[in-house]
Amino acid sequence: AQTVTQSQPEMSVQEAETVTLSCTYDTSENNYYLFWYKQPPSRQMILVIRQEAYKQQNATENRFSVNFQKAAKSFSLKISDSQLGDTAMYFCALTQGGSEKLVFGKGMKLTVNP
Amino acid sequence: GAGVSQSPSNKVTEKGKDVELRCDPISGHTALYWYRQRLGQGLEFLIYFQGNSAPDKSGLPSDRFSAERTGESVSTLTIQRTQQEDSAVYLCASSLGTAYIYEQYFGPGTRLTVT
Repeated sequence: AQTVTQSQPEMSVQEAETVTLSCTYDTSENNYYLFWYKQPPSRQMILVIRQEAYKQQNATENRFSVNFQKAAKSFSLKISDSQLGDTAMYFCALTQGGSEKLVFGKGMKLTVNP
Repeated sequence: GAGVSQSPSNKVTEKGKDVELRCDPISGHTALYWYRQRLGQGLEFLIYFQGNSAPDKSGLPSDRFSAERTGESVSTLTIQRTQQEDSAVYLCASSLGTAYIYEQYFGPGTRLTVT
């Protein structure tokens, strides 16, 4: 069985600062994919960044980057230069190759303060 | 272009009634997914469609839940004899293909409240 754990239910950060959201996971597969999704108050889930497990290089997407530690089964998201629009719930998710099922963590509420 | 749309956006129903939730995916997206999000929780996978067939129904919580899809377009999630524990936001997503290659685009969800 696959599991995703987000142990921090809530965080806050000042605008323009950097914040790191943690995520750990468990899977017995070698071929899997990791994702961070953002859910603003509008409820619409938006893909922030994805990482293929077979790639050693950490994914980056503008102000968003990940620290993928495969041996530790850790997948943290770093948001640089935080903006007010980053305020949202953030969900870490996992799927294994060959499966269509995304397994989500419980989410973390991020508040960016002016 | 248009994104994934869902209707209704909110639904309040009495315990024991049946409800139908609708999802209109992005045109051309062959894959369609339904998820349930209970208050304060992450998303739970319910069912996946490829075209109008459902290769993975493993997340449907009971036989009160069913879903169908017409071709590569609209999908309907039906909950029969609703219970209070069915109260949640039901999210639909669509993609061009397989989940780990193609991004899933989500709709805004339907908030279901069973009284």
